[in-house]
Formats: sequence, C-alpha cells, structure tokens
Amino acid sequence: GQQLNQSPQSMFIQEGEDVSMNCTSSSIFNTWLWYKQDPGEGPVLLIALYKAGELTSNGRLTAQFGITRKDSFLNISASIPSDVGIYFCAGQAVGADGLTFGKGTHLIIQP
Amino acid sequence: EPEVTQTPSHQVTQMGQEVILRCVPISNHLYFYWYRQILGQKVEFLVSFYNNEISEKSEIFDDQFSVERPDGSNFTLKIRSTKLEDSAMYFCASSEAWTGVYGYTFGSGTRLTVV
Repeated sequence: GQQLNQSPQSMFIQEGEDVSMNCTSSSIFNTWLWYKQDPGEGPVLLIALYKAGELTSNGRLTAQFGITRKDSFLNISASIPSDVGIYFCAGQAVGADGLTFGKGTHLIIQP
Repeated sequence: EPEVTQTPSHQVTQMGQEVILRCVPISNHLYFYWYRQILGQKVEFLVSFYNNEISEKSEIFDDQFSVERPDGSNFTLKIRSTKLEDSAMYFCASSEAWTGVYGYTFGSGTRLTVV
C-alpha cells in the first residue's frame, strides 16, 4: 500500500520557537490533511489542502500542498504549551476513500 | 460543534469473543469510516461505508470484521472472534462528501483490549 514518510519523528523545542514538519510520498495524493492528536483523543483536523501548490493558514499554522502532489509541510509559528501533541499528515489518493496517515511527529515543548 | 460519538470508550474482551463498537456519526454526513490505531503507531484505514454498503476496505478488514448501519443514526463495527492483535484504539469518522471536502471528523475512539 501507499506509504507516507513523516519527519521528524519527534521535536523538542522551547516555547516561542517555530516548528516545521513534513510528509513525503512516492505516490500522488489529491488531498493532504494535517491532524493533531491529544492523548486519549481522536485526530482533530487542523488544515486541509486540495490543490497542488496551495498554501493555507489557520492562525499560527501554515501548510502547503507540494507542487508535485507528493509532499506537504506544516509550520507552527511561535509555539505555545497547548501545541504539545502528535501531529499527523494524511493523504487521500486518487479514487480512494480511505486516508493514508503518516507515523506522526511528536511535539514536546520545554518550558 | 457537531461531534462523532463513540461508545464504549474502553472495552475489554477475552480472545475469541465477539465485540461490537458503536458510533453515532454527524447527522448530515453521508460517508462513514472506521480506522484503528495500535498503541504508539499510526492511524490505519479499515473501511468506508456509503449508501448502506461498503465502499472501500483495506487489507486489514478481513472476514472477521463487518460493519452495519442498523438504523438512521448508528454505525457499528463488529469483530467476530477477537485476537490479541486486535487490541487498538478504533476510531469512527464521518464526512459530508466523498472527497472529504471538510476533512473527516473523528470520534474520540474506543480502546479495545483483548486479553
């Protein structure tokens, strides 16, 4: 099946720092989604991207759909303690219902 | 904010037993999904359901699994004879449109522990 390579696996940063994470794939996706998951909860949608080259912001979050349709990144500016959690990229391939998820980036913010 | 509701939040069952996980999707959504997440791993697609039938299923969704929408509101996942490796968080999700225009909305999950 399709694989998404998400990096980094974990990040240890100071509050106020900017964060960047990305996902790459060998396959083309029609849709890229970024989710955040808190412990014991389901993934919560942060940003959805539907067009190659699209750059979308949601508050301090910015994500881009790569021009090749095989990659996406998520940036978080000026991190705050509540940004702690696991961030997943997910892609929806052409003709597919299901999403393929990356393995997640675990964001830890040190005071 | 509309929610996808899952019950129970935690289910412990003995190996070989049948379990039914329940979900109430968002009321105007038409597409329904089950995903699972083994502890510490990524979220994996199991099955999608539309117009009262399975639309797509993954390799994980073998004959031990079945889904049903018994009435207008519930969406269930049944595992006929649970195995230890079925222990995972199971997430139900729903979406308004096939392309997931607004992304999926996930429930909070049911933690299934098979002993």
